[in-house]
Amino acid sequence: GAVVSQHPSRVICKSGTSVKIECRSLDFQATTMFWYRQFPKQSLMLMATSNEGSKATYEQGVEKDKFLINHASLTLSTLTVTSAHPEDSSFYICSAIPGHGGNTEAFFGQGTRLTVV
Amino acid sequence: AQSVTQPDIHITVSEGASLELRCNYSYGATPYLFWYVQSPGQGLQLLLKYFSGDTLVQGIKGFEAEFKRSQSSFNLRKPSVHWSDAAEYFCAVGAGSGYSTLTFGKGTMLLVSP
Repeated sequence: GAVVSQHPSRVICKSGTSVKIECRSLDFQATTMFWYRQFPKQSLMLMATSNEGSKATYEQGVEKDKFLINHASLTLSTLTVTSAHPEDSSFYICSAIPGHGGNTEAFFGQGTRLTVV
Repeated sequence: AQSVTQPDIHITVSEGASLELRCNYSYGATPYLFWYVQSPGQGLQLLLKYFSGDTLVQGIKGFEAEFKRSQSSFNLRKPSVHWSDAAEYFCAVGAGSGYSTLTFGKGTMLLVSP
């Protein structure tokens, strides 16, 4: 099956710094990738839809200036948490769909545990 | 907008016993339905999915799920649970022009007792 890799799997950063998380589709090209956030013992909440070569579409309530998404190639999307605060600590998961979207299954990365101290 | 309800926050099952995890969805058209499993600190693994056709879907690891339109349900079942099945299980519905945009339920934590 298709493989999506996230890096890093865990990161600890100081409050006020920025952290970049990468999401790569290893064996397929993905026009569209999705970023989710998962709070402890909660479900996954969609943060934004990342489209290659264009601006990301953010869900209501997600600060686009805080969570910067770049999808510069068909195999890589990045999420940068800017000026991180402890409340940004969470589990971030990306997913990618092969090809140009539509009725295609999404494949998930293994997630990134962010801890802001 | 679609929604997913998993009524059970956690369930404890004895090893070797049967399992059923409940999932109800709300969506105006025919949904695309998924079950994912998540081990602690890990990403999501797809167990099975329903798009159309046979309403009884077979998945990996011995899991199956049945789509019941009349009940708006997509319950996950396994005839005999193994200790390694202990994890969090998420039901999700995909809808719209790209069903890869998923709405997840809150999850059910499965505990397996010896």
